[in-house]
Amino acid sequence: KQEVTQIPAALSVPEGENLVLNCSFTDSAIYNLQWFRQDPGKGLTSLLLIQSSQREQTSGRLNASLDKSSGRSTLYIAASQPGDSATYLCAVRHMIKAAGNKLTFGGGTRVLVKP
Amino acid sequence: DTGVSQDPRHKITKRGQNVTFRCDPISEHNRLYWYRQTLGQGPEFLTYFQNEAQLEKSRLLSDRFSAERPKGSFSTLEIQRTEQGDSAMYLCASSLAAGSVTGELFFGEGSRLTVL
Repeated sequence: KQEVTQIPAALSVPEGENLVLNCSFTDSAIYNLQWFRQDPGKGLTSLLLIQSSQREQTSGRLNASLDKSSGRSTLYIAASQPGDSATYLCAVRHMIKAAGNKLTFGGGTRVLVKP
Repeated sequence: DTGVSQDPRHKITKRGQNVTFRCDPISEHNRLYWYRQTLGQGPEFLTYFQNEAQLEKSRLLSDRFSAERPKGSFSTLEIQRTEQGDSAMYLCASSLAAGSVTGELFFGEGSRLTVL
């Protein structure tokens, strides 16, 4: 059974510092991995999607890397701003057809960027 | 707005009542998913549809829960005889079939259920 872990559960940094968020998964047979942002009481906003054949994806200040063999992904947010304060979730989609088409989520990392 | 929309955004009900949530996916998306999220946790998969066919259901989806997607467009999630443990955010997402494009999931704003 796939398990996704995000450590730490919460992180507080001063404005301008780079953020490093970690995600680990137990089964490396993944189809893709997706990073989401969630503001309190809101739905999920997709940030980046990395296919299993890719090693990284970039969008603006965001960069996500994927090391499938070690079961890890890292989301980097450069020059953090107070508006980056949110919960960040990673989710993996299984490669094995029998596992269905669902995403398995980690518990999220709650980020606070202090002005 | 061409994103995923969910209705209602908030629902407060008494234990034992039935509730229904509606989800309208992105119009060209043929896959639709329901997830449940409790406070401080990541979302948990409930069920998904490809067009009108319900292809997978989680064991979390007890017999009090039923989901439909008539005509392969909008979907409803009904919870009968609600219990306090059903209190959660119910999230809907949609995507194109994996293998066609990226398979990226897009989520709605969620429907928050509080059972008193």
